[in-house]
Amino acid sequence: GQQVMQIPQYQHVQEGEDFTTYCNSSTTLSNIQWYKQRPGGHPVFLIQLVKSGEVKKQKRLTFQFGEAKKNSSLHITATQTTDVGTYFCAGDTGNQFYFGTGTSLTVIP
Amino acid sequence: DAMVIQNPRYQVTQFGKPVTLSCSQTLNHNVMYWYQQKSSQAPKLLFHYYDKDFNNEADTPDNFQSRRPNTSFCFLDIRSPGLGDAAMYLCATSRAGRAYEQYFGPGTRLTVT
Repeated sequence: GQQVMQIPQYQHVQEGEDFTTYCNSSTTLSNIQWYKQRPGGHPVFLIQLVKSGEVKKQKRLTFQFGEAKKNSSLHITATQTTDVGTYFCAGDTGNQFYFGTGTSLTVIP
Repeated sequence: DAMVIQNPRYQVTQFGKPVTLSCSQTLNHNVMYWYQQKSSQAPKLLFHYYDKDFNNEADTPDNFQSRRPNTSFCFLDIRSPGLGDAAMYLCATSRAGRAYEQYFGPGTRLTVT
């Protein structure tokens, strides 16, 4: 079955509101990557986290890797219409590399 | 600009008729990946090449094969496409293993009639 789950599956926000997607793995991950896929586009790499408890920021985006290296989150502050797309986490269990189920973000102007 | 190129962007094939999708890269990356992405789903890794070493994912059907004749090119062969194989096929590269960021091509959308 699916190893890496994300919640929520869909999220609609008003422009300016914050957004968070959560990524949960059934097994420990050696690292976690985050990708953004615009509608009709291909995944684009955003960031990679490697260390337990690691936090990284990119402008309005904040990424966290859980202490047990089984979960991660992406938080966007003050969303903009350019943030529209599906956000995927992706991780390596050592045996296999999985993309998470994704969270589709819609930003209402 | 260094990039990942996929041809064709759209491919229509008949049920059971073999089809080949191609991918090329100018990044000189060691690793090339093939993913299958169905509508509203996550990309699913089929296999990857680390240089000439082929790595198949455990649940990839035998119907899917791959060739990497040189560093720049990688091919996905579907021996007998079924209706369930209709999907977007994404090629990606990375400098080294799966711990490194992946660069994706635009994808080939496969339709099976």
